[in-house]
Amino acid sequence: GNSVTQMEGPVTLSEEAFLTINCTYTATGYPSLFWYVQYPGEGLQLLLKATKADDKGSNKGFEATYRKETTSFHLEKGSVQVSDSAVYFCALRNSGGSNYKLTFGKGTLLTVNP
Amino acid sequence: NAGVTQTPKFRILKIGQSMTLQCTQDMNHNYMYWYRQDPGMGLKLIYYSVGAGITDKGEVPNGYNVSRSTTEDFPLRLELAAPSQTSVYFCASRDRDRGTSEAFFGQGTRLTVV
Repeated sequence: GNSVTQMEGPVTLSEEAFLTINCTYTATGYPSLFWYVQYPGEGLQLLLKATKADDKGSNKGFEATYRKETTSFHLEKGSVQVSDSAVYFCALRNSGGSNYKLTFGKGTLLTVNP
Repeated sequence: NAGVTQTPKFRILKIGQSMTLQCTQDMNHNYMYWYRQDPGMGLKLIYYSVGAGITDKGEVPNGYNVSRSTTEDFPLRLELAAPSQTSVYFCASRDRDRGTSEAFFGQGTRLTVV
């Protein structure tokens, strides 16, 4: 079955530091990959996505590249801000017949200090 | 543009009580989902629906029921509340496609069973 493994948190950084949150996956076929962000007290919202190998998703200074050879989709940002403090979830969905379900990682809590 | 609306936002139940968590979306999405989020465990799929009149079990359906009489509404029913159902519940919806579209989440319902 599908699974997503992401870096255990929590992660604490100072403002302007470089961020990497690792995500690897197991899936059949050619899944679409997503990063969702959850700010305190809110629901999840899409941060970025990639739908095929070597695609790069980007948004708000965050980037992630779909690497089929290493089955990875690591999230990066060059300079984090206090406002980036949130929980980040890596997720996948198959593109084939069982494409109904999103499979999530356990989430990584990021805290950015001023 | 309301998106996905969940009610209530908070609720405390006594063991054995029942309640319905409401979820409505105004985007005419075919697919709807219920997840629960437990600390450090990510999101687990409870039930999902691919259209009005069609529902199916996710990973953790025991103790819950759903119905989908209209495209817009997807209520989640707890019949005999148990402490193990203390969690944050998220409803989500998605457009029908090959798996590349994003899911939109409600703001969540925080349920405590005492």
